[in-house]
Amino acid sequence: KQEVTQIPAALSVPEGENLVLNCSFTDSAIYNLQWFRQDPGKGLTSLLLIQSSQREQTSGRLNASLDKSSGRSTLYIAASQPGDSATYLCAVQDQGGSEKLVFGKGMKLTVNP
Amino acid sequence: DAGVTQSPTHLIKTRGQQVTLRCSPKSGHDTVSWYQQALGQGPQFIFQYYEEEERQRGNFPDRFSGHQFPNYSSELNVNALLLGDSALYLCATKVGWGNTGELFFGEGSRLTVL
Repeated sequence: KQEVTQIPAALSVPEGENLVLNCSFTDSAIYNLQWFRQDPGKGLTSLLLIQSSQREQTSGRLNASLDKSSGRSTLYIAASQPGDSATYLCAVQDQGGSEKLVFGKGMKLTVNP
Repeated sequence: DAGVTQSPTHLIKTRGQQVTLRCSPKSGHDTVSWYQQALGQGPQFIFQYYEEEERQRGNFPDRFSGHQFPNYSSELNVNALLLGDSALYLCATKVGWGNTGELFFGEGSRLTVL
């Protein structure tokens, strides 16, 4: 059974820092990994999708990497801003015909001005 | 381009009642999935619909049922509500089925069961 872990559960940093958010998964047989952002009481906004054949994806100040063999992904946020404050979730889609995403519990990020 | 829309945004029910939540997919999307997100947890997969059929189901009891209409919109029904059904219910849509395409989520329906 696939399990996704995000540690730490919360992080508070001053504005301007470069951040690394971690995600680990137990079964390396995945189709893809997706990072999401969730603001309080809101839905999920897709940030980056990495297919299993890819090593990384970039969008603006965000860069996500994927190491399937070790079951790890990192989301790098450059020059953090207060507007980056939110909960960040990672999710994997397993191989074997599964369509569902398996999510971690998320990491709550607070960027202080 | 309208994204994924869900209704209602908030609702309050009492134990034993029934609820129906609705989802309209993003333009061009034909596959709809439903997720339940309890407070402080990641979303949990309920089921997925494609071509008006339930294609995959997560570990949820039969009290949770759904439907997809010819215009690809979908409903989630929960019968005999329990306190533990209180959660944010998220709809996610994508193009096609059996692929690794990107999922897009709606804002969710917040259900409170008293």
